Parts: sequence; C-alpha cells; structure tokens
Amino acid sequence: DAGVIQSPRHEVTEMGQEVTLRCKPISGHNSLFWYRQTMMRGLELLIYFNNNVPIDDSGMPEDRFSAKMPNASFSTLKIQPSEPRDSAVYFCASIRGGADTQYFGPGTRLTVL
Amino acid sequence: QQQVKQSPQSLIVQKGGISIINCAYENTAFDYFPWYQQFPGKGPALLIAIRPDVSEKKEGRFTISFNKSAKQFSLHIMDSQPGDSATYFCAARIRGGADGLTFGKGTHLIIQP
Repeated sequence: DAGVIQSPRHEVTEMGQEVTLRCKPISGHNSLFWYRQTMMRGLELLIYFNNNVPIDDSGMPEDRFSAKMPNASFSTLKIQPSEPRDSAVYFCASIRGGADTQYFGPGTRLTVL
Repeated sequence: QQQVKQSPQSLIVQKGGISIINCAYENTAFDYFPWYQQFPGKGPALLIAIRPDVSEKKEGRFTISFNKSAKQFSLHIMDSQPGDSATYFCAARIRGGADGLTFGKGTHLIIQP
C-alpha cells in the first residue's frame, strides 16, 4: 500500500497568492482529515470528511481556507489569499470505516513570504 | 481551551533508561487515547493506543498507563534507545468513531548514547 500521498511536499509562495494542497487517502479509507502543525499551536484539526462529505469544519481558521473532497481518492485544501501566518506543515490523514488508526501523510511544508 | 495537556515539552534520557511522558484530559466524552511518534520531516505514526476500560497496555518496550478517575494517561518507554529519539504526541478522540483527534502539544525526546 502506498500510504497517504500528499503534494506538493514543499511550497513557497508570496503573500496574497492562492495555495492548493492535495491529498490522496489510502484506498478503501472512507474518512479523511486535514491537520495543521505549528510550533506554537501543535497539531490542530482543520476539517474532516466522511464518505466525501464535510462533517466538521470548525477548525478552519478563516474563510480564506476551504477544503473539498470531490471523490473518495482525492481532497484539496485551498488558501486564498495566503498570509505569512499560514506558514506551517499541513497533514492529511485517512482512516478505514470502523477502525481506530488514522494514517498520516508525509505533510506539505508551506512557507508564505 | 486546550483539551489535552502534555508534559514535559522536552526530555533527555540516557540510553537504557525509562522515558515517561504524561497527559491529562478534560473531556469525559473521550474514549480512545493513542500515542503518536513523529520523526523529523515525517508524518505522525501510531505507536500504541488504549481505551478507558483498561488501566494498562503494553506493546514491547512501550506501555500506556491510564487513570480514568484522574483523567490522566502516560507513556513509558523502557530500555530507551537512541532510535527512540523523536517527538511524541498524546491524543484523544470523542466517543463515536470517525472523529478527528485532539492532540497534546508534543514532547521532544532525546535519548543520549
């Protein structure tokens, strides 16, 4: 199994630009999570989907953040416009229905200048 | 409100010693308590997990101790090895399954040879 796949692994952009992060969950997993990791706040849940439907987006910091899951094998997290305080590592994780273990991807390190 | 408090922030242990990391939670709706291990540049990976109906779970050199009345749980790493040097996160999930994890702030563990 390839595990959770995220792209790009590193992204450097300038303030005000749109950023799109991508995630491919493990095949057969029906829940997908987006987390953000910073030194100050640690790992925070941003949003999660069950069967492609957004369930809880209360962790999304602002309207500049949006996430979609058009099908079971793909999700995006978009920031528009990006700001320097959005600099962080963004992780995607997936889980099989009825299971306990969330599997994390390698993360996308985002730097907004 | 930080729902899972983790200590210490950093820990240095001699090779062969016991590493102990502590967590406390507030929400009694939590019913699943995993520990994740993260190496630099990688995503978190599940190490060991426990449910509140048992007081202890052991897997190899790793043990979780759980105190439901005190709402505390801890990770013990016996015979700590340099390869155990990593960041460790405790986490908790609300009863009901496919919800996101609430993480502690993490403990940076260094095992000195």
